[in-house]
Amino acid sequence: DTAVSQTPKYLVTQMGNDKSIKCEQNLGHDTMYWYKQDSKKFLKIMFSYNNKELIINETVPNRFSPKSPDKAHLNLHINSLELGDSAVYFCASSHRPRSRGEAFFGQGTRLTVV
Amino acid sequence: GDSVTQMEGPVTLSEEAFLTINCTYTATGYPSLFWYVQYPGEGLQLLLKATKADDKGSNKGFEATYRKETTSFHLEKGSVQVSDSAVYFCALSTTNFGNEKLTFGTGTRLTIIP
Repeated sequence: DTAVSQTPKYLVTQMGNDKSIKCEQNLGHDTMYWYKQDSKKFLKIMFSYNNKELIINETVPNRFSPKSPDKAHLNLHINSLELGDSAVYFCASSHRPRSRGEAFFGQGTRLTVV
Repeated sequence: GDSVTQMEGPVTLSEEAFLTINCTYTATGYPSLFWYVQYPGEGLQLLLKATKADDKGSNKGFEATYRKETTSFHLEKGSVQVSDSAVYFCALSTTNFGNEKLTFGTGTRLTIIP
């Protein structure tokens, strides 16, 4: 059983397109996150949702719109893709306060914008 | 704001060598501290954690001690194996108005040669 799963694993698309990445967790966690990992492996939080409510939005361009239809899902939609959006995007989940910050990560989605 | 500084890589060691990867942090309050590991092509996995001062986290032969006086959480292993080759991330978790957030260091790539 995959705890946190993301689809697709790889995504290659042209500049200007709109794309979505889906994330699902079967751990019963109440908090989900999106992180961006750049080419130098630096990881930065983008969004955090708790019980479907947006909690953290770290100065991400409004071309990025997360959507949480329920506690087990957090999707990321990106409009008008730019070259600089190329990165690996990780979904994660945790359970406040039980987890004390420990998060479980998906396998990542490698987005390449050409 | 919160930040994590870890040793720049890459680090290359011979099998059975002793490993230290330094990590220091800046945070308000009392963060939990983590080491995550990312194997090639995979997502991040929790390696070990410590939730309060003087706690020692350990797993798979790796250890790290939460040192409040030096704001450090250095990762050590007495005898590394080729299978330990990966990118290691130090991280801290803080809670702000009830919202948890993981802040990562820049990652240290470790390569073990036979």
